[in-house]
Amino acid sequence: QVQLQESGPGLVKPSETLSLTCTVSGGSVSSGSYYWSWIRQPPGKGLEWIGYIYYSGSTNYNPSLTSRVTISVDTSKNQFSLKLSSVTAADTAVYYCARGGFYQAGTLDYWGQGTLVTVSS
Amino acid sequence: DIQMTQSPSSLSASVGDRVTITCRASQSISNYLNWYQQKPGKAPKLLIYTASSLQSGVPSRFSGSGSGTDFTLTISGLQPEDFATYYCQQSYSTPWTFGQGTKVEIK
Repeated sequence: QVQLQESGPGLVKPSETLSLTCTVSGGSVSSGSYYWSWIRQPPGKGLEWIGYIYYSGSTNYNPSLTSRVTISVDTSKNQFSLKLSSVTAADTAVYYCARGGFYQAGTLDYWGQGTLVTVSS
Repeated sequence: DIQMTQSPSSLSASVGDRVTITCRASQSISNYLNWYQQKPGKAPKLLIYTASSLQSGVPSRFSGSGSGTDFTLTISGLQPEDFATYYCQQSYSTPWTFGQGTKVEIK
């Protein structure tokens, strides 16, 4: 059973960089044709896909965030990470990591529990 | 970006009711349409993929249909555990986008 777990600071100051890590268990980030995504959800609002890293290491980002986003993978730790720079209060959200690719690249079949990140001074 | 529009935004229903939620894409997405269920404080859960395929472990009262731009999620015989928010999502092209959600509440 694949499990994903987000971790990282719950509070980030405006203009700083948000950094989160997703640890994968029950599967490998470097095996199979999987796409490892980040998605966020502002409090009380809907879901926004941030981007993915393919098992090969290639990335694809939402154009609305591409200038500020970096997703990377650490195969030795079986983790992938999100960095979002120059954050503002609008980046306050629950951040989820998820797996796609078992059916289609964008079909997200396993999700982490989510972690709330608040941007505030 | 492909815009996904769900209707209604919310609905009230009783246990045992048949519930239908619709999702419309701003352009054709073939059958690259997924449905998720989200309960308060929890991550979304995949219910339906490729418009009509039931995810393993999901009860058969959930069904999906449609192709092109118009899609439907049906719950046949609403159960107490089905009260939640439902999202459609297109996986046809990036950026993958979600509908605004439909909240199913108890009447």
